[in-house]
Amino acid sequence: GENVGLHLPTLSVQEGDNSIINCAYSNSASDYFIWYKQESGKGPQFIIDIRSNMDKRQGQRVTVLLNKTVKHLSLQIAATQPGDSAVYFCAATMNSGTYKYIFGTGTRLKVLA
Amino acid sequence: GAVVSQHPSWVICKSGTSVKIECRSLDFQATTMFWYRQFPKQSLMLMATSNEGSKATYEQGVEKDKFLINHASLTLSTLTVTSAHPEDSSFYICSARAPGDSGSEQFFGPGTRLTVL
Repeated sequence: GENVGLHLPTLSVQEGDNSIINCAYSNSASDYFIWYKQESGKGPQFIIDIRSNMDKRQGQRVTVLLNKTVKHLSLQIAATQPGDSAVYFCAATMNSGTYKYIFGTGTRLKVLA
Repeated sequence: GAVVSQHPSWVICKSGTSVKIECRSLDFQATTMFWYRQFPKQSLMLMATSNEGSKATYEQGVEKDKFLINHASLTLSTLTVTSAHPEDSSFYICSARAPGDSGSEQFFGPGTRLTVL
């Protein structure tokens, strides 16, 4: 069945260091991938996205890498700040051309001062 | 732009009552809205896809008679939890996508916390 999972449930990072959050997906037909940040009691906040015809995309302090061969997605946060503490979810379209997402299980990022 | 709101932000109700949650796209028209449910410390699970002017499409395992969805306009979708029970207590989140959007991006609302006593 379809599955989008994360390798680590909790990631603790020293302030100023880089963070890497990983995600694996199972459906090779997924063609659009998104990373969301969710703070407690709030809805998901868009961070960055990438389409299946790309393998890397950069934003402000964030980079998403996509490896379609092994169906793996990662989010890199540079110079992690206390405000980055949250739960991060990856999401993938259920199938090519669909607008429905399947979400990963989430990784809690804790930034240590 | 691309703001989605939900109302109420939280609601407490007695077991057996029905609760309506509204999802509005404030600055764009949304042909498609999605409803998710999120239990504590868990991920978002898609419940249904709501298309303006047509019946919602429910994901496997989601009772359509229990979770009534109405998408009467391009800016409003409602989710009604009928005869709510404590196990329906959850965080309900909606999202919307704009028509003609060549991408697949969904814009999420802030969520509604439902507690059934």
